[in-house]
Amino acid sequence: GAVVSQHPSWVICKSGTSVKIECRSLDFQATTMFWYRQFPKQSLMLMATSNEGSKATYEQGVEKDKFLINHASLTLSTLTVTSAHPEDSSFYICSARDSGRFQETQYFGPGTRLLVL
Amino acid sequence: GESVGLHLPTLSVQEGDNSIINCAYSNSASDYFIWYKQESGKGPQFIIDIRSNMDKRQGQRVTVLLNKTVKHLSLQIAATQPGDSAVYFCASGGDSSYKLIFGSGTRLLVRP
Repeated sequence: GAVVSQHPSWVICKSGTSVKIECRSLDFQATTMFWYRQFPKQSLMLMATSNEGSKATYEQGVEKDKFLINHASLTLSTLTVTSAHPEDSSFYICSARDSGRFQETQYFGPGTRLLVL
Repeated sequence: GESVGLHLPTLSVQEGDNSIINCAYSNSASDYFIWYKQESGKGPQFIIDIRSNMDKRQGQRVTVLLNKTVKHLSLQIAATQPGDSAVYFCASGGDSSYKLIFGSGTRLLVRP
């Protein structure tokens, strides 16, 4: 149980294009999902909290117009990196909290590696 | 346990020995703690969690110890195996946002 998937697992794109990453909770409902980015040999940095049916909450320093988040259903959140640039290249990981449990445990997806040329 | 640091501390252990990975947290209001294992190129995998009303919790080959007095958390892995080689992160939380604050991580290397 508590499986989270991400798609795609890796993507290479040209500078200036937009990239959409999907995060799905496969066997539970998630009113709250989280998006992180991770640079090599570093910890996870929270970018935003995605809430089903409402606007995402972004962490300080994260541009909401650059990283568009949509949480249209209880099992799907998407992150769109708009007008991607080489400095956006990173490992993006989502997590989901099981809404049916009163706990803070976040279950993570396998991550999406983005390379912007 | 703030998310800072340009390099990961490394713990090297002999296969079969016990491993102890430590973590310090800064927010005394945190009441939920969790350990994750991250293998190269993958997302973090849940290992074990503990609430602040406990000081010890055991799982399969793993034990988490919590010392609230000194704001310290540890993960003990019994009979460490090569498959345990990974980066281990502690995280803390407990407010209504459900956000977790991650530590900088420790790389565990298991020598055959």
